[in-house]
Amino acid sequence: GAVVSQHPSWVICKSGTSVKIECRSLDFQATTMFWYRQFPKQSLMLMATSNEGSKATYEQGVEKDKFLINHASLTLSTLTVTSAHPEDSSFYICSAGTSGRVNEQFFGPGTRLTVL
Amino acid sequence: DAKTTQPNSMESNEEEPVHLPCNHSTISGTDYIHWYRQLPSQGPEYVIHGLTSNVNNRMASLAIAEDRKSSTLILHRATLRDAAVYYCIDPDMRFGAGTRLTVKP
Repeated sequence: GAVVSQHPSWVICKSGTSVKIECRSLDFQATTMFWYRQFPKQSLMLMATSNEGSKATYEQGVEKDKFLINHASLTLSTLTVTSAHPEDSSFYICSAGTSGRVNEQFFGPGTRLTVL
Repeated sequence: DAKTTQPNSMESNEEEPVHLPCNHSTISGTDYIHWYRQLPSQGPEYVIHGLTSNVNNRMASLAIAEDRKSSTLILHRATLRDAAVYYCIDPDMRFGAGTRLTVKP
């Protein structure tokens, strides 16, 4: 099956700093990527939908100026958490896929962010 | 909010079949039904998808109701490695709470 990677797999940062998380589709071109966050014992919460070459569409309640998403190529999307605070500590997961009727998505392994 | 509903948890004995239900009453006629599962601290793993007909793959089977308002993921012989949270997701890629499957030896 298709492979999606995320980097880094975990990161610890100080409050107020910015953190960039990369999501790559390794063996296919992804026209659409989704970003999620997941708190302990909870389900995945969709943050935004990212289409290559266009601005991301954010879910209601997600601050687009705080969570910057860039989908500059068909194999790479990045999520930057700006001015991170302890409440941003979470498990961030991306998925990548091709648009179309089936809309099959492949998920990355996740990035654990801890803000001190 | 997600447009799918699933039971919060289910239990199964090892080597027995498991039927995991999902209601997706607002799905449109052309939307595929996707199932994923997630182990702790990992990204979701694809399980199966289908449109109208029942589907089989090496991991599971998917039985889709004739009116497409519900589906059932079938694990024919549960193993300890099948213990996970199972999600059927809506066409907009939103996750509901999922079903936590516990497999007892």
